[in-house]
Amino acid sequence: KAGVTQTPRYLIKTRGQQVTLSCSPISGHRSVSWYQQTPGQGLQFLFEYFSETQRNKGNFPGRFSGRQFSNSRSEMNVSTLELGDSALYLCASSLGGTGSYGYTFGSGTRLTVV
Amino acid sequence: SQELEQSPQSLIVQEGKNLTINCTSSKTLYGLYWYKQKYGEGLIFLMMLQKGGEEKSHEKITAKLDEKKQQSSLHITASQPSHAGIYLCGAPGGSQGNLIFGKGTKLSVKP
Repeated sequence: KAGVTQTPRYLIKTRGQQVTLSCSPISGHRSVSWYQQTPGQGLQFLFEYFSETQRNKGNFPGRFSGRQFSNSRSEMNVSTLELGDSALYLCASSLGGTGSYGYTFGSGTRLTVV
Repeated sequence: SQELEQSPQSLIVQEGKNLTINCTSSKTLYGLYWYKQKYGEGLIFLMMLQKGGEEKSHEKITAKLDEKKQQSSLHITASQPSHAGIYLCGAPGGSQGNLIFGKGTKLSVKP
């Protein structure tokens, strides 16, 4: 069965621009979580969507937003990009997303802000 | 909030040697995940532990969760260059019910 697909794999943007990242979960999985990974902070939770609703949100500014579609695919948007937004963005797919089920991660999108 | 501390931060071993990575939680663990990550890539699921005293093995990797459910260890037997990467432990425990992660252990295996 297909894994978690994240597109694009690499992205270079200029400060002030906005960006949209995409995540297609494993078929049948209804939960998609997004994480930001940087060398200094490690993996930090952005938000989680379940059945098209944002269920949880981490401590990130409002410039970071997301949504989930009826087919469970999720998008993450970052507006007014800052240099500090450069990171590897990972999404994780889960059947239920409550910790009782496994989480499968995608290969990530490497965002570089210049 | 719950925190996961991994040790050591980095490890260099000679091929063929055994090694252990530890993950200690500030609170009781209700599930513990081990992942491996190659630089700049996604996380590869290794194992999930849920019960105190539980031990699981896959090929040359064994993970254990202690009886008190506050510490887990990952043991690699007869390490190979293919074992090189960053090992991360994760657990449900964020204030929003999300997964939290340790900072990772970077493993290098010298041929």
